[in-house]
Amino acid sequence: QLQLQESGSGLVKPSQTLSLTCAVSGGSISSGGYSWSWIRQPPGKGLEWIGYIYHSGSTYYNPSLKSRVTISVDRSKNQFSLKLSSVTAADTAVYYCAREDYSNYGRWFDPWGQGTLVTVSS
Amino acid sequence: EIVLTQSPATLSLSPGERATLSCRASQSVSSYLAWYQQKPGQAPRLLIYDASNRATGIPARFSGSGSGTDFTLTISSLEPEDFAVYYCQQRSNWPPTYSFGQGTKLEIK
Repeated sequence: QLQLQESGSGLVKPSQTLSLTCAVSGGSISSGGYSWSWIRQPPGKGLEWIGYIYHSGSTYYNPSLKSRVTISVDRSKNQFSLKLSSVTAADTAVYYCAREDYSNYGRWFDPWGQGTLVTVSS
Repeated sequence: EIVLTQSPATLSLSPGERATLSCRASQSVSSYLAWYQQKPGQAPRLLIYDASNRATGIPARFSGSGSGTDFTLTISSLEPEDFAVYYCQQRSNWPPTYSFGQGTKLEIK
């Protein structure tokens, strides 16, 4: 059974860079033609897609965050990572990693990691 | 950018009742819509994909319908564990980006 687990710093100072890693177990990050996403949820609010990386290494980002986001993959460690630069308090959120599953028609997220809270504060 | 609008924002019902949640897209998404359930302190859980297909392990009381711009998630008879927040989600073909609805909170009446 595929499982995803986020890790990284839970507290980041304003203007610094948030860094998170998602470890994938129970399957290879390189198989199946999947893409791997980051999604966040500010406290008490809804879900916001941040971006994803394809198995090939291609990336796509939410236009509203594109200038500050980098997603990369480390196939040797079976994990992918998120970097978000120049953070402010508005970036405080629970950050989830998820796999994009797909059919001939649509695409959706399953499974998800448990999420990790990142707080931006001095 | 395709915007998903969910209604109502909050739905108050009793166990055993039928719940009907709506998701409307600002432009057609064909049948490319998914639904998720989220309980406090937990990650979202996939319920429905491609508008009407139940995910693995999802009880038959959950069903999805719709196409184009109007979609519905129906819970036929509410169980106590169904009270949660529900989100719809779509993926645009180009640019290949995702969006979520703002959520419907299903609360116990």
